[in-house]
Amino acid sequence: DAGITQSPRYKITETGRQVTLMCHQTWSHSYMFWYRQDLGHGLRLIYYSAAADITDKGEVPDGYVVSRSKTENFPLTLESATRSQTSVYFCASSVDRDRDEQYFGPGTRLTVT
Amino acid sequence: GENVEQHPSTLSVQEGDSAVIKCTYSDSASNYFPWYKQELGKRPQLIIDIRSNVGEKKDQRIAVTLNKTAKHFSLHITETQPEDSAVYFCAARGFDEKLTFGTGTRLTIIP
Repeated sequence: DAGITQSPRYKITETGRQVTLMCHQTWSHSYMFWYRQDLGHGLRLIYYSAAADITDKGEVPDGYVVSRSKTENFPLTLESATRSQTSVYFCASSVDRDRDEQYFGPGTRLTVT
Repeated sequence: GENVEQHPSTLSVQEGDSAVIKCTYSDSASNYFPWYKQELGKRPQLIIDIRSNVGEKKDQRIAVTLNKTAKHFSLHITETQPEDSAVYFCAARGFDEKLTFGTGTRLTIIP
């Protein structure tokens, strides 16, 4: 489990501010994912990446930006935070397309005031 | 895209009894169905998964069944124990290769 980490673990920010959530994995997994978890909605995919420099939108991408310049890092940026983006954010990774298990990071609890 | 519905949203069972959680999916091309367990304040972790070419899979007290015709799959936990208390999520991977999760079932085991 120590192979995938997220920072910060807790963050409080104000409406309109830009905030970046970090995700780092040490396994050299090809695929990485960002989910948000809200009561009543389960886990919803924001963005994912199949490899360095390859990213694609998930179910709820609006208001978020991602990049993946290195295989091990997959930062998620909220360009102008809104209260509706208050949530728990999970990063996950998987080995490749054929080995399906996704390994989740510990999560970041973000509050937008 | 894929749509996954999960029932019930909460479930309480007596210790030692069985628990069943059911999910339905919409995309007939879906081919992979994992179940994740999330303890309070922790990350989701895979407990069992099944592929579309298999009807049932078992791992000790946990089993998953898949009915492709009806497009539903279920998680069965037998001889429940207090440590089984958690939120369980089903998921399905559709034609777009993305996982879509259900909304979760909070399982409480009553001692």
